[in-house]
Amino acid sequence: GAGVSQSPSNKVTEKGKDVELRCDPISGHTALYWYRQSLGQGLEFLIYFQGNSAPDKSGLPSDRFSAERTGGSVSTLTIQRTQQEDSAVYLCASSLLRDSYNSPLHFGNGTRLTVT
Amino acid sequence: AQSVTQLGSHVSVSEGALVLLRCNYSSSVPPYLFWYVQYPNQGLQLLLKYTTGATLVKGINGFEAEFKKSETSFHLTKPSAHMSDAAEYFCAVMGANFGNEKLTFGTGTRLTIIP
Repeated sequence: GAGVSQSPSNKVTEKGKDVELRCDPISGHTALYWYRQSLGQGLEFLIYFQGNSAPDKSGLPSDRFSAERTGGSVSTLTIQRTQQEDSAVYLCASSLLRDSYNSPLHFGNGTRLTVT
Repeated sequence: AQSVTQLGSHVSVSEGALVLLRCNYSSSVPPYLFWYVQYPNQGLQLLLKYTTGATLVKGINGFEAEFKKSETSFHLTKPSAHMSDAAEYFCAVMGANFGNEKLTFGTGTRLTIIP
């Protein structure tokens, strides 16, 4: 596709279950970012990939959160033992270069996660 | 750490009126500043970015942002609001150090246009 694709678009899960969120970046984009958008919280940075490595994981809220990227392309964000406070929209973005100034971020439409 | 503060989580203006969305940044040299917009049911997209040396930066859809170092501000303006401008607007700053290129976003301002 032409843009960043995220799946599923909506996910409802029970508290305590594990969930996997998927991001397909734009082909050829080396940098990939995960953000979380909560009501009143704005966009919260979670993790950044350059290729398959993650130079910056500083935003992951707890050890229940993990992410990986394979083949320099698809990324999966995994949340284990989900809690109600994990409910949010999870956004993925990619950019051609690691330099966000000269290479704008392209965002997907997000995955809306609801933990009941 | 770099940060931005957006004043006003909600702003309402009448169609045809001036739009002013406020953003202040934490002092840093150089500041790499951006405005992104999120239209309903769409992903965020770049509206404009600060260019070193410029005081007024033009973006898409008639938006501009004025950089004022003395006030550490990067406010977004549009002379005449249109119904299609209804969206959420995010100010963002990029880390200036190699290996710290992530964007840090403000909490956003939801713009409502009154017919």
